[in-house]
Amino acid sequence: GAVVSQHPSRVICKSGTSVKIECRSLDFQATTMFWYRQFPKQSLMLMATSNEGSKATYEQGVEKDKFLINHASLTLSTLTVTSAHPEDSSFYICSASGATSTDTQYFGPGTRLTVL
Amino acid sequence: QQQVKQSPQSLIVQKGGISIINCAYENTAFDYFPWYQQFPGKGPALLIAIRPDVSEKKEGRFTISFNKSAKQFSLHIMDSQPGDSATYFCAASGEGGSEKLVFGKGTKLTVNP
Repeated sequence: GAVVSQHPSRVICKSGTSVKIECRSLDFQATTMFWYRQFPKQSLMLMATSNEGSKATYEQGVEKDKFLINHASLTLSTLTVTSAHPEDSSFYICSASGATSTDTQYFGPGTRLTVL
Repeated sequence: QQQVKQSPQSLIVQKGGISIINCAYENTAFDYFPWYQQFPGKGPALLIAIRPDVSEKKEGRFTISFNKSAKQFSLHIMDSQPGDSATYFCAASGEGGSEKLVFGKGTKLTVNP
């Protein structure tokens, strides 16, 4: 089956620093990647959609200058949380889908970000 | 119109019983309806998915029932096991699975031994 990995799985950082999270599709080419955040006991909230080689499309209310997304290759997308603050602490999850319209989304294992 | 409404919020079932989770949608452009299973601290895992051209899909103990006219779909877990205890999310998207998913709020399932 399709495998998506994320790195790191957990990160703790100080307020004001930037954190980069990687999302990789290990056995397929992901033309589209999605980034979600999830608060405890809540559903997944889509932050942005990225297509390889083009700018990400952000959902309403998501600050594009704070959450920088890069999808430079068909197997790698990165999310950088800039100038992180405690309210950015959350579970960040990526998903990836392949080239055909019938492809489903496969999710990564998530990254737990804690900002002190 | 973009919402997917999921119920119940939580569900407790005895081992061997049937777990039923329901979802409803408004957007008739949706044509892909997956269910995801999520364990604490893990990412969601695709369980089973259905498209509107069929009314039912079964994979092992998991069955999706789809009612296009009512714009409803449900997940049935037969012979529920303690290992099935997790949070289940229904979702919907248009133009196949590569479009953005709209998620339900989730159902926390507890299967008692």
